[in-house]
Amino acid sequence: DGGITQSPKYLFRKEGQNVTLSCEQNLNHDAMYWYRQDPGQGLRLIYYSQIVNDFQKGDIAEGYSVSREKKESFPLTVTSAQKNPTAFYLCASSGVAGPNGEFFGPGTRLTVL
Amino acid sequence: KNQVEQSPQSLIILEGKNCTLQCNYTVSPFSNLRWYKQDTGRGPVSLTIMTFSENTKSNGRYTATLDADTKQSSLHITASQLSDSASYICVVRLKTSYDKVIFGPGTSLSVIP
Repeated sequence: DGGITQSPKYLFRKEGQNVTLSCEQNLNHDAMYWYRQDPGQGLRLIYYSQIVNDFQKGDIAEGYSVSREKKESFPLTVTSAQKNPTAFYLCASSGVAGPNGEFFGPGTRLTVL
Repeated sequence: KNQVEQSPQSLIILEGKNCTLQCNYTVSPFSNLRWYKQDTGRGPVSLTIMTFSENTKSNGRYTATLDADTKQSSLHITASQLSDSASYICVVRLKTSYDKVIFGPGTSLSVIP
């Protein structure tokens, strides 16, 4: 089955710790995205990558970092510099120009204790 | 400013009834508009996608309309079921070098027996 997987589903971390969220896709999509979702708000773009070894900041990149060493993988690191990291994080991928829309993973809920 | 607004913010309807959700956007240049369904704690799933030239598109009990002149879209749900309870998100894609998307805040629909 083709799709996007994110792990873990729930993640807890202490303040001051970095944490990495995993995102893997086997759809052979070129583009991958990370979004953050807060209650009552639309999804906001953190980072996106159109090809391997290249990525761009989205609207709220501060306190986050990414890498794109493989086409299938786009991990997101939430650093201690992110002031309000508790949120639901969604990874997505799309083919060239995304004609069929973006396919989303199941999400990771991060809670900072 | 590129924005996507949705109304109502939340809606409660009886099982079996119809409902219509609204999406207004001020996005340019416009590429396409999509409606997603997001179950609580899950990633969004695409329902319909419409380009500039399309006025109506159906997916089972879901029918989306698009008026590109007034920059409005609606999602009509027929004969609602309990499983329709979810958040419905309107997403507009811009024609830019990286196909930027703007997410609406979503409409939370609750279908009650």
